Amino acid sequence: DARVTQTPRHKVTEMGQEVTMRCQPILGHNTVFWYRQTMMQGLELLAYFRNRAPLDDSGMPKDRFSAEMPDATLATLKIQPSEPRDSAVYFCASGPAGQPQHFGDGTRLSIL
Amino acid sequence: QKEVEQNSGPLSVPEGAIASLNCTYSDRGSQSFFWYRQYSGKSPELIMFIYSNGDKEDGRFTAQLNKASQYVSLLIRDSQPSDSATYLCAVRVGTYKYIFGTGTRLKVLA
Repeated sequence: DARVTQTPRHKVTEMGQEVTMRCQPILGHNTVFWYRQTMMQGLELLAYFRNRAPLDDSGMPKDRFSAEMPDATLATLKIQPSEPRDSAVYFCASGPAGQPQHFGDGTRLSIL
Repeated sequence: QKEVEQNSGPLSVPEGAIASLNCTYSDRGSQSFFWYRQYSGKSPELIMFIYSNGDKEDGRFTAQLNKASQYVSLLIRDSQPSDSATYLCAVRVGTYKYIFGTGTRLKVLA
């Protein structure tokens, strides 16, 4: 079964540090999404790409978050500098255009 | 008003009963609707999707869509303890953007 692969699965770091999360979408999927999930807010869409081009990143705090797709097999989400309120589970999802998206296992991020 | 609304629950049903999960959405232009299941500590898993008014059945699951009422539901027949999870409703707005509800927690009592 093809899967969306996310690394790392867990990350604990101190506030102010840079955090980079990586995602390998399912081969052939041309839309890629980044979500953040917390108990309070649920699943929030941060950014999404089609054919590697960013379509919408309005869900991200622009001053500290950035999302890129350097190639079709890699999407990255960076936080610099990180803050305790960024602690959450970050999910990447991918899908063919217009078709249901499939989620990776997530990165559980804790900022101390 | 949230774009996609779900009752947070928990919804408790006895084993073997029908569980009914409901979702309302605000954007009348929405075309595609999805149900995901999420076990505690795991990622969302696609259960069903529906694009047209009416019912769509897949095994023990039935998705129901009523665009006039902006309402989508998920029925789980013969509920099992293994169905205990949070069920997320998602709506595709425009071509690519998905909005998720906050989920309904289902507990199936053995």
